[in-house]
Amino acid sequence: DAGVIQSPRHEVTEMGQEVTLRCKPISGHNSLFWYRQTMMRGLELLIYFNNNVPIDDSGMPEDRFSAKMPNASFSTLKIQPSEPRDSAVYFCASSLRAANQPQHFGDGTRLSIL
Amino acid sequence: QQQVKQSPQSLIVQKGGISIINCAYENTAFDYFPWYQQFPGKGPALLIAIRPDVSEKKEGRFTISFNKSAKQFSLHIMDSQPGDSATYFCAAGGYGGATNKLIFGTGTLLAVQP
Repeated sequence: DAGVIQSPRHEVTEMGQEVTLRCKPISGHNSLFWYRQTMMRGLELLIYFNNNVPIDDSGMPEDRFSAKMPNASFSTLKIQPSEPRDSAVYFCASSLRAANQPQHFGDGTRLSIL
Repeated sequence: QQQVKQSPQSLIVQKGGISIINCAYENTAFDYFPWYQQFPGKGPALLIAIRPDVSEKKEGRFTISFNKSAKQFSLHIMDSQPGDSATYFCAAGGYGGATNKLIFGTGTLLAVQP
C-alpha cells in the first residue's frame, strides 16, 4: 500500500519566493495534518483537516502560511513570501478519522530558505 | 494543560540493555497514547500505542506502561539493539474539542552502543 506521499523532498529557495509543498494522503483516510519540525521547537502541528475541511489552524504561524485541501487525495501548504526562519522539515500525516487514531507520516519536505 | 512532557532528552544504552523513556500529561481528556519512532531523513512512524483502559501493552521488545492516576506513561525497549537508535516521540490525543489532535512530546534521542 502506498503511504503518505510528499513532494518535493527537498526545496531550496531564496527569501521572498513563494513555496508550495504537496501531500497525497493514504486513500480512505479522512483526516490530514501538516506539521513542522525544527531542532528548537520540535514537532509542531500547523493545521489539520477533516473531510477536506480545515478544523484547527491555530498552529499556523503567520498569514504568510496557508493550506488547502481541494479534494480527499491532495493538499498543499503554501508560504508566501518565504523567510529564512521558515527553514524546517514539513511533514504531512493522515489518519482514518479523529486524532486519537494512528497517524501515518510522509517522509517530509526539507525546506531551506536562503 | 495541553502539554506532554518527555524525558530524558537523550539516552545512551549499551546493546542488550533496557531503554526507558518517560512522558507525563495533564489533560485527563486524553484517551490515546502512541509512541513514534523516527530515523534520520524519515517521518515519524507509529511504534506502539495504548488506551487508558489497560496499564500495559507489549509488542515484541517494546512495552508501554501506563499509570492513569499519575498521568504518566513510559516506553520500555528490552534487549536494546543498535538498530533501535532513533528519536522517539510520545504523544497524547483525544476525541472532540481541544483534544481532537495529537500533542507530541519533545522527543528523546536514543543511541544504542554496540
